[in-house]
Amino acid sequence: DQQVKQNSPSLSVQEGRISILNCDYTNSMFDYFLWYKKYPAEGPTFLISISSIKDKNEDGRFTVFLNKSAKHLSLHIVPSQPGDSAVYFCAASAGQWGNEKLTFGTGTRLTIIP
Amino acid sequence: EPEVTQTPSHQVTQMGQEVILRCVPISNHLYFYWYRQILGQKVEFLVSFYNNEISEKSEIFDDQFSVERPDGSNFTLKIRSTKLEDSAMYFCASSGSGSGETQYFGPGTRLLVL
Repeated sequence: DQQVKQNSPSLSVQEGRISILNCDYTNSMFDYFLWYKKYPAEGPTFLISISSIKDKNEDGRFTVFLNKSAKHLSLHIVPSQPGDSAVYFCAASAGQWGNEKLTFGTGTRLTIIP
Repeated sequence: EPEVTQTPSHQVTQMGQEVILRCVPISNHLYFYWYRQILGQKVEFLVSFYNNEISEKSEIFDDQFSVERPDGSNFTLKIRSTKLEDSAMYFCASSGSGSGETQYFGPGTRLLVL
């Protein structure tokens, strides 16, 4: 049941450059999307989210883009920093009224090369 | 900054034993969740809890699992008779009320069933 897919298991980016992480989904009922960052042996840390009524949300170095027609979202990190090295999970939920479960992708391991 | 806490950080148990994983959600949150991540796999939803009852549960959350909010601050996950395949990281999360509320995760409990 791969409703949320992250097709790149890993990504390496030079420090200072842009990191682009991609996520595809199949369930058209999803209307709220989140990106979480995870270090080993820690819980997922919330980064940024986007509602389906928007196509872009920006927070500092992080921008999430949503293309509903393609059922695709991406996370842009500019500029990339060594501390950004972690596993990034895309997650989605159906319904924005609280208590909806999150469906996670398999994650992309981002490595920032100094 | 408020955070979700979990105890213990690690738990080793024998197959067939009961375990209780504990969580203290963020104090003004109303929705509580348990997720798990088996090594090398994605984060999976187990159960959501609101107003002292289960809102939704996954297929994984069978009769061996139960959740409880015994007082105003703790939220527990009990596994009555552990199996080898229950070995995983278990994450507690909580979110506030209202639309589009983000789920914040605890650091996790690593459960190893021998």
